Amino acid sequence: DTGVSQNPRHKITKRGQNVTFRCDPISEHNRLYWYRQTLGQGPEFLTYFQNEAQLEKSRLLSDRFSAERPKGSFSTLEIQRTEQGDSAMYLCASSPTPWTGVPVLSGNTIYFGEGSWLTVV
Amino acid sequence: TQLLEQSPQFLSIQEGENLTVYCNSSSVFSSLQWYRQEPGEGPVLLVTVVTGGEVKKLKRLTFQFGDARKDSSLHITAAQPGDTGLYLCAGEWGYNQGGKLIFGQGTELSVKP
Repeated sequence: DTGVSQNPRHKITKRGQNVTFRCDPISEHNRLYWYRQTLGQGPEFLTYFQNEAQLEKSRLLSDRFSAERPKGSFSTLEIQRTEQGDSAMYLCASSPTPWTGVPVLSGNTIYFGEGSWLTVV
Repeated sequence: TQLLEQSPQFLSIQEGENLTVYCNSSSVFSSLQWYRQEPGEGPVLLVTVVTGGEVKKLKRLTFQFGDARKDSSLHITAAQPGDTGLYLCAGEWGYNQGGKLIFGQGTELSVKP
């Protein structure tokens, strides 16, 4: 399978613990995105990388959240001191080319992974 | 703040019926995408529309982008139980936004046999 891969798929953690999610994008995709989705809502943008550079962070990404993409390939999203409000599905996505604002059918599609479910108890 | 509003939020219909889902915004989007999401899975892209007034067809699904690029609709003809799922619209506003998408809250579709 050469799609976007995320793990773990499910994580249950106690409040106050740290958790880390990993995302392996489609090979050679230079853009990588993190989104968060809660039940009954659409995904919300968190942050994105162009290669190893983190180019934008949403205000949703509090200082307890940190994302890295050290070698421009896989990425990690760490949540420190988890809170019950952090319970959500964390989605990773990647795209093959820099998004120029002019989508091309085969060129600038964003591909989502299957998500990592986090439950904080 | 750019917002996308989808309607209806829930839709339960019988197999064979037609339906339309709407996606509206007060902002102009440079492109708009429709996704389908199954429970516990990530969204899967159905279509991207970029030109005002554009209409795209994907088998029984017809997608339209409004002339002013502020709204879009998804029409499904003769719905089947396999169409059941969460339908999401997502827009990119402006250019050089890095592919950052604003999603609507989704339309939960249930098609009963």
